[in-house]
Amino acid sequence: AQSVTQPDIHITVSEGASLELRCNYSYGATPYLFWYVQSPGQGLQLLLKYFSGDTLVQGIKGFEAEFKRSQSSFNLRKPSVHWSDAAEYFCAVGATGGGNKLTFGTGTQLKVEL
Amino acid sequence: GEEVAQTPKHLVRGEGQKAKLYCAPIKGHSYVFWYQQVLKNEFKFLISFQNENVFDETGMPKERFSAKCLPNSPCSLEIQATKLEDSAVYFCASSQGTGSYNSPLHFGNGTRLTVT
Repeated sequence: AQSVTQPDIHITVSEGASLELRCNYSYGATPYLFWYVQSPGQGLQLLLKYFSGDTLVQGIKGFEAEFKRSQSSFNLRKPSVHWSDAAEYFCAVGATGGGNKLTFGTGTQLKVEL
Repeated sequence: GEEVAQTPKHLVRGEGQKAKLYCAPIKGHSYVFWYQQVLKNEFKFLISFQNENVFDETGMPKERFSAKCLPNSPCSLEIQATKLEDSAVYFCASSQGTGSYNSPLHFGNGTRLTVT
């Protein structure tokens, strides 16, 4: 069965600083990988996704993520964080042929200091 | 519509009462998914539909939970005889197809169920 680990429960960065949120997955084949963001009281918004091809994926809002098969990781990055990026970030893995049934990590709460 | 619409936003039920949640998927999306978010950050898959047919119900509790997607009606998730541990935010999501990558999930804003 697939699983996702997000080791950091909370992260605080200063506005303008760079950001990296960690995600490790466990899956036997090539996974579908996703990053979602959840603002308070809102649903999940898709930031970016990966299945194959270039291992560096660009998403919305200036985010990118890099797939590293050897490390089973799919870390999310942003070069310069804005105060509006404060939210909960979820990494998710979907099984090939899994019918869009995603397994989510437990999330990382990002706080941005002005 | 262009968004997944969930109603109500908040629902409060006494223990033992019934709770019914609704979801209107994005127009043209054939797949509907229900997820339960407990303790703010754990998402648990409950059930998915392909049109009005159950596609995957491996996450549905065997008792008290049921769901439907009928033609020309919002999908619904019903909990009979609610328990305190059912308190959670229930998210509905829809997608065009079943392939995770090419048809990613679009989520609604959730229904917060509080069981007292």
